[in-house]
Amino acid sequence: EAQVTQNPRYLITVTGKKLTVTCSQNMNHEYMSWYRQDPGLGLRQIYYSMNVEVTDKGDVPEGYKVSRKEKRNFPLILESPSPNQTSLYFCASSLFFPGRSGNTIYFGEGSWLTVV
Amino acid sequence: DAKTTQPPSMDCAEGRAANLPCNHSTISGNEYVYWYRQIHSQGPQYIIHGLKNNETNEMASLIITEDRKSSTLILPHATLRDTAVYYCIVPTTSGTYKYIFGTGTRLKVLA
Repeated sequence: EAQVTQNPRYLITVTGKKLTVTCSQNMNHEYMSWYRQDPGLGLRQIYYSMNVEVTDKGDVPEGYKVSRKEKRNFPLILESPSPNQTSLYFCASSLFFPGRSGNTIYFGEGSWLTVV
Repeated sequence: DAKTTQPPSMDCAEGRAANLPCNHSTISGNEYVYWYRQIHSQGPQYIIHGLKNNETNEMASLIITEDRKSSTLILPHATLRDTAVYYCIVPTTSGTYKYIFGTGTRLKVLA
């Protein structure tokens, strides 16, 4: 079954304690991305990756890092989390980069992160 | 970057057609229009996409104007389970490669 899997699904952490949210897809997709969703602001892209070792900033990259060492995995790293990073996070993947025909995006189920 | 504009909310009676508009006046000739929906806080779900011609699948129909500056998603017989936030998206392909979701239209299907 085609899947984008995120972990953890729910996390409460303290300010400054490094954490990683993992994302894995089983569809051999080239393009992967991370979004955060906050009330009234919709989905905002944090980082994206066009392929292995190719990453770029989205609209709200401050305070986050990513890496793409393998095609299937795209972890989101919060080196020093702060309360303003409390949010719902989604990982997504698509076969190709945006703009190609029929390029459906698949989303993970989301990760609720609370930083206190 | 092509941007989209959608009404923040709409209501629709159960069993009636729901017509959700989207303005994308800055779209370029080879950019597709995609529609997704998000039910509660689940991951967004693909509905349909198109370039120039009208498209239909088992979930919905997509009507794109001839000048491609706007489109309408049609749910032909809305049910309570169609209550969701609907996003119209035009991927950006110049300089960066992003899907900009915005805030979408919150559709409420009424019994």
